[in-house]
Amino acid sequence: DTAVSQTPKYLVTQMGNDKSIKCEQNLGHDTMYWYKQDSKKFLKIMFSYNNKELIINETVPNRFSPKSPDKAHLNLHINSLELGDSAVYFCASSPLAGAGETQYFGPGTRLLVL
Amino acid sequence: AQSVTQLDSHVSVSEGTPVLLRCNYSSSYSPSLFWYVQHPNKGLQLLLKYTSAATLVKGINGFEAEFKKSETSFHLTKPSAHMSDAAEYFCVVSETNDYKLSFGAGTTVTVRA
Repeated sequence: DTAVSQTPKYLVTQMGNDKSIKCEQNLGHDTMYWYKQDSKKFLKIMFSYNNKELIINETVPNRFSPKSPDKAHLNLHINSLELGDSAVYFCASSPLAGAGETQYFGPGTRLLVL
Repeated sequence: AQSVTQLDSHVSVSEGTPVLLRCNYSSSYSPSLFWYVQHPNKGLQLLLKYTSAATLVKGINGFEAEFKKSETSFHLTKPSAHMSDAAEYFCVVSETNDYKLSFGAGTTVTVRA
């Protein structure tokens, strides 16, 4: 029973394509996040949703669009993929949106743009 | 604004010897502090967290960390390293009024047999 799952695990695609990554959590949490981990392993938050409402929207190109159809799902759609989008994308969830809340991470989606 | 500095990018230890991973933080308010571990090609797993309770925090797999406000530090230790401890470790901070996590750059731990 995976708590936070992501599909696909690996994604190899050409520049200019549009792709989506899906995330689902079965923990009953209210809040979900997307993080990007670059080649130096630095992690940075991109977006967060609380009860399907966007609460964090960091400085991310508008080619990236999150969508939360319900509390258990947060998908990430990327338009016009660029070489610099190659990274590992992690989804996470937490019970609530609050400081001190433990975030539970998915296994990551490794995106390679050629 | 909050930030975290992990003082060592790479730590190498022999199996059975102590591990020390150093982390300093900067925070305008009372911080919550976390250590996460990432094994190769895996997601992140919480080792332990501090949220203004006891300053010495015990985590999973024999790890512990001590919150020292005067030194703005939250160093992670383990008395005896195991081969399975080889991984990337992240020190993370969030402030009372901000639920965003700010990650350190990570420390890679290698364990020699």
